[in-house]
Amino acid sequence: EVQLVESGGGLVQPGGSLRLSCAASGFTFSEHYMDWVRQAPGQGLEWVGRVRNSHTTEYAASLRGRIIISRDDSENSVSLQMDRLKTEDTAVYYCVRVRGGNTWHLDYWGQGTLVTVSS
Amino acid sequence: DIQMTQSPSTLSASVGDRVIITCRASQSLGNSLAWYQQKPGKAPKPLIYKASTLESGVPLRFIGGGSGTEFTLTISSLLPDDFATYYCQQYNSYPVTFGQGTKLEIK
Repeated sequence: EVQLVESGGGLVQPGGSLRLSCAASGFTFSEHYMDWVRQAPGQGLEWVGRVRNSHTTEYAASLRGRIIISRDDSENSVSLQMDRLKTEDTAVYYCVRVRGGNTWHLDYWGQGTLVTVSS
Repeated sequence: DIQMTQSPSTLSASVGDRVIITCRASQSLGNSLAWYQQKPGKAPKPLIYKASTLESGVPLRFIGGGSGTEFTLTISSLLPDDFATYYCQQYNSYPVTFGQGTKLEIK
């Protein structure tokens, strides 16, 4: 059974940093791209970024320069480092698996971890 | 960036109704489009990918159609469990983008 479990969320002050982690299990982690998607309270879904199985990355333009997504295939984990946090970064952050093969949709989602940026 | 526009934003319907949600892309996607269902407090659940392919376990009453810039999600006969928010998502090019969502409400 595929499982994605996020951790690391919490309350952080504006300007602070936070590192989210996602532990993956139930599939061959090294074969899949992994994404982060966020959802502000009462709002829609926003793609944050991707780390490919080659460890190269893609980021949303609005976040580029403040985030780093990385992966550790030996630990089956993916991380999202966020710096210079703003109040508008308050959201539930989801770790998501990209299917791969001949489709790149998001086929498994974690339960999400809440990040609250507030003083 | 490819803009994804869903309509309507809110849809009121009754159990047994047939409903259609539309998603329009600002550029051609081919068939690189997915649909997700989200219930309050839960993670999104994938329903359809490649515009019309059902995810495993998704009931046949969910039907995806379209290609290029216009796509539809049809629910052929609503069940109580279907009242939720639906999102389309393009994965044809970076950045990945989502529609703003369609909230399906009980009439």
